[in-house]
Amino acid sequence: EAQVTQNPRYLITVTGKKLTVTCSQNMNHEYMSWYRQDPGLGLRQIYYSMNVEVTDKGDVPEGYKVSRKEKRNFPLILESPSPNQTSLYFCASSYDPGGKYGYTFGSGTRLTVV
Amino acid sequence: AQSVTQPDIHITVSEGASLELRCNYSYGATPYLFWYVQSPGQGLQLLLKYFSGDTLVQGIKGFEAEFKRSQSSFNLRKPSVHWSDAAEYFCAVGNTGFQKLVFGTGTRLLVSP
Repeated sequence: EAQVTQNPRYLITVTGKKLTVTCSQNMNHEYMSWYRQDPGLGLRQIYYSMNVEVTDKGDVPEGYKVSRKEKRNFPLILESPSPNQTSLYFCASSYDPGGKYGYTFGSGTRLTVV
Repeated sequence: AQSVTQPDIHITVSEGASLELRCNYSYGATPYLFWYVQSPGQGLQLLLKYFSGDTLVQGIKGFEAEFKRSQSSFNLRKPSVHWSDAAEYFCAVGNTGFQKLVFGTGTRLLVSP
C-alpha cells in the first residue's frame, strides 16, 4: 500500500529536549515536505526537499531542521523545542510539488511542548 | 504570492440540508485546485481536484466543486449533508513550478440534527 508513515502519532515533551519526528514514504517520490497545522492558520510549510541532499526552507522554518539522506526518509528535527512549536505536524510526498500528481499525507504527529 | 481565502471559519448545517463552502484564490494563471477534508483526529483526505477542462468537478462522498475563473473561486458543494460530514475542510492551490500546496485556513463544518 502506498503510504507516508509518520512516527510518533502523539508526543509530549519538555522545553529544550531534542526530538525527531520520522517520516518515510514507499512511493519513490522525489519531493517531500513538512507542514504544521495550527487553529485558524491552516497548514503552513516548514521545510521541503526536492531530492536526496536537497532541502530548502518553507514559510515557517525557524526552530526546525530536516535532512534527506535517503529518498524515502525525511525526518523533522526540533533541537530545542519550545511551547510555540506545539502543533499538529504533517509530512507529505509527491512526484510534483505543484500537486499535479497528487500529494500523499501522513497521518499526522500531534506534538505538545510543555 | 499565491494565497487562498476561506472566509467562513465555522458553518453549521442541518442534516439533510445543502452545503456550500467558499474558497477564493489569488494566482495569476489557472491553478490546480484541491479540497481536502480532515475528520477529528484524522489526517487529510483528498475530496476532489481541478486541473483543467470541465469546471464542475465531482469528488468522493457526494461532493462537487465548481471552478469560476471570473470570480477566482472554487466553492465546494454537497446537496444533502450527513452527520458524518462534520469535519474541517481545507481548500488548497498549486501549479507547476510551485514548491508547495498553499492552503486556506480551513472551515469547520458542524452538522445539527
